[in-house]
Amino acid sequence: ETGVTQSPTHLIKTRGQQVTLRCSSQSGHNTVSWYQQALGQGPQFIFQYYREEENGRGNFPPRFSGLQFPNYSSELNVNALELDDSALYLCASSFRTGGILDEQYFGPGTRLTVT
Amino acid sequence: SQQGEEDPQALSIQEGENATMNCSYKTSINNLQWYRQNSGRGLVHLILIRSNEREKHSGRLRVTLDTSKKSSSLLITASRAADTASYFCATNDRGSTLGRLYFGRGTQLTVWP
Repeated sequence: ETGVTQSPTHLIKTRGQQVTLRCSSQSGHNTVSWYQQALGQGPQFIFQYYREEENGRGNFPPRFSGLQFPNYSSELNVNALELDDSALYLCASSFRTGGILDEQYFGPGTRLTVT
Repeated sequence: SQQGEEDPQALSIQEGENATMNCSYKTSINNLQWYRQNSGRGLVHLILIRSNEREKHSGRLRVTLDTSKKSSSLLITASRAADTASYFCATNDRGSTLGRLYFGRGTQLTVWP
């Protein structure tokens, strides 16, 4: 157990809808990253939040957005869902100090299916 | 795009045998990490090796890193059925303070009792 939790476990949405996924970081961690893992692929970096601000972004469109709260929990929001958004969404928490990021610990993921 | 590439894509062995998985990558790195994933669930961090290290051990795991060849290997000794999972290598690029990880497609390891 990493201490990183995600909710919900599974979610089924319809194309065009919006979805919010949640992540609770491990205690003491101040950085959260989100990854998308399509079936049979490795995780792809979506973005990272540090001290409540977006700190870097992968090759994902603006309809993927996020938030980080003062308690370092985080949300991933996806608008106008497309069929290709069906994937396992993983969050990873870590501790950043002096510009260096420690090991990242992943949550169990949220399985999103878009029909 | 993916940075690390694992080889083989799939590996099937008997309990008690050793399993070796390889990872190749393309750019200079700060560190390389190995993760395990069971049946599409969350990733479990196994081991991190920094660019100035050549070998690390953790229990039955042995990881090597050759930065001149841009490659790493993960050895699991005396494998068990419970080691059945997908194994991913992930690289963190040199000069990156972001800590963004680039994953390969993984090696699917099956250990038969």
